[in-house]
Amino acid sequence: GEDVEQSLFLSVREGDSSVINCTYTDSSSTYLYWYKQEPGAGLQLLTYIFSNMDMKQDQRLTVLLNKKDKHLSLRIADTQTGDSAIYFCAVNSGYSTLTFGKGTMLLVSP
Amino acid sequence: EPEVTQTPSHQVTQMGQEVILRCVPISNHLYFYWYRQILGQKVEFLVSFYNNEISEKSEIFDDQFSVERPDGSNFTLKIRSTKLEDSAMYFCASSEYGRSSYEQYFGPGTRLTVT
Repeated sequence: GEDVEQSLFLSVREGDSSVINCTYTDSSSTYLYWYKQEPGAGLQLLTYIFSNMDMKQDQRLTVLLNKKDKHLSLRIADTQTGDSAIYFCAVNSGYSTLTFGKGTMLLVSP
Repeated sequence: EPEVTQTPSHQVTQMGQEVILRCVPISNHLYFYWYRQILGQKVEFLVSFYNNEISEKSEIFDDQFSVERPDGSNFTLKIRSTKLEDSAMYFCASSEYGRSSYEQYFGPGTRLTVT
């Protein structure tokens, strides 16, 4: 089945850019998502990219997709302390199902 | 903004007991899902539900699990005889359409602790 891998932890300083990486195995995945989870809260959809795109930008967020290498990244520009959270990469793996990575904990220090 | 709600936020139960986790999906959504996340592990798909029947389910969703939409607003996950390994955060989600290309909105989760 589909497997999604992410690095577990990233620490950056406020104002720097953060890059969170994700790899997946199923080349037929057509939608790739980034979710954010703040402490005690549910999973919030941040952005997604369709597989025929290489890049998608949404304000401070940039998603890059390398389909050949099955690599997805999320760049957060001008990272703020409020961006500290766990970020999950997810890909569609069935008609209605999502497969998630373990999540990357982003810690932003002042 | 409409949101998915879940109750309770934390449930503690003894091994062998039945638990029912409740969710209220977004009102105009037609597709409902349960996922779970064991501490330190990935968020895993359990089941999807549409038109009062299961659309897809994972290997985790065995005979101990069942889902129901008992009325027009609630969507429940029942675990008949809980095991220690059922301890996890359970997330409910809903979407307007069924294909996973459409946004799934997640609730805040119910933390289930089986002792």
